[in-house]
Amino acid sequence: EAGVAQSPRYKIIEKRQSVAFWCNPISGHATLYWYQQILGQGPKLLIQFQNNGVVDDSQLPKDRFSAERLKGVDSTLKIQPAKLEDSAVYLCASSSPGLRAGEQFFGPGTRLTVL
Amino acid sequence: GNSVTQMEGPVTLSEEAFLTINCTYTATGYPSLFWYVQYPGEGLQLLLKATKADDKGSNKGFEATYRKETTSFHLEKGSVQVSDSAVYFCASRETSGSRLTFGEGTQLTVNP
Repeated sequence: EAGVAQSPRYKIIEKRQSVAFWCNPISGHATLYWYQQILGQGPKLLIQFQNNGVVDDSQLPKDRFSAERLKGVDSTLKIQPAKLEDSAVYLCASSSPGLRAGEQFFGPGTRLTVL
Repeated sequence: GNSVTQMEGPVTLSEEAFLTINCTYTATGYPSLFWYVQYPGEGLQLLLKATKADDKGSNKGFEATYRKETTSFHLEKGSVQVSDSAVYFCASRETSGSRLTFGEGTQLTVNP
């Protein structure tokens, strides 16, 4: 089966600009996650969707970050305006309560550099 | 909330050496525990998991045992290969919900 797809793979922007990332989860996976991985640290959950509803966004900086999952499939994560400290890899993951219930499958990530 | 602590600093070993990467956790309940691996240029992959105390997860020669008494989930492999070079992340998942809490990651380099 195809894995989690993310684009772009790399993005360089200047501070105060806007940026958007796209994620296509594994087909049939109802749960989608966005993580932020700062260099030298482990991933940190930003937001979790169940179908097209938000389950957990407690760690999302809502003044500048937003995410949506229209139609319960693809998702976009947006940063507006970006700050230097937003430089990180943004990971998308998906899961399904099926045979391997709870296992999260990760995409390759988008590496964001804010100058 | 949950937290996960991994041993500090990169690990460099020679091929066929024994590997231990330490991981300890704090949790209010009984979390599930995971080891994820990130090979260069690739996404995170689940390596192994354990869902209750005394469970042993194993995969590709790697093992980790869920120790409730020491709140630990150390990763071990008896004989590492160059292809094992990667970053290893320990993670926990709360008994309620599906959020993963990751440790800082440990870079492993295996030299021939």
